[in-house]
Amino acid sequence: EDQVTQSPEALRLQEGESSSLNCSYTVSGLRGLFWYRQDPGKGPEFLFTLYSAGEEKEKERLKATLTKKESFLHITAPKPEDSATYLCAVQSGTYKYIFGTGTRLKVLA
Amino acid sequence: DAGITQSPRHKVTETGTPVTLRCHQTENHRYMYWYRQDPGHGLRLIHYSYGVKDTDKGEVSDGYSVSRSKTEDFLLTLESATSSQTSVYFCAISESQWDRGANEQFFGPGTRLTVL
Repeated sequence: EDQVTQSPEALRLQEGESSSLNCSYTVSGLRGLFWYRQDPGKGPEFLFTLYSAGEEKEKERLKATLTKKESFLHITAPKPEDSATYLCAVQSGTYKYIFGTGTRLKVLA
Repeated sequence: DAGITQSPRHKVTETGTPVTLRCHQTENHRYMYWYRQDPGHGLRLIHYSYGVKDTDKGEVSDGYSVSRSKTEDFLLTLESATSSQTSVYFCAISESQWDRGANEQFFGPGTRLTVL
């Protein structure tokens, strides 16, 4: 069964304290892995697509990496405005997307 | 930002009443989706559409129906709302990329539905 598991469920960081979020997946035929940011009361906002193991994408303080079993979202020197829930999803078919339950990140000033 | 709007943004209704949620896009994307988001669950697919009048069921489709009469509009109907359908509903869109196998989805702002 296709599955996506994100860890930790919640993470509190001090401003400037770098860390990583994990997304483990089991899927038959990975087409792509996606990272989203979701702020309270809003829809998920697309961040990255990763297509194959070894690929990396960067955007400001965020860097996403992909292996055959998991993806990491590295946050370098986070700021309070990076506080949000980060969602991971995989696409295994034309219309089939499986989402994780997210990691709630809180960055303290 | 992808041009996706949802209406209404908030709704409170009573058990047994019909409810229709609307998703409107200005991106001319072919694929449209309805998800629900509940605590402890990832986003779960209710129904999706791969073209005008072309729709199919997702993993949690019981009690829901959809229609797509125009490219830009995708309607989700709860025929007879139940308390278990209290949730936040998101519409998403995506488009085929001829040179890539994966299609990122873009989400609307959501509709918070409460069924009393």
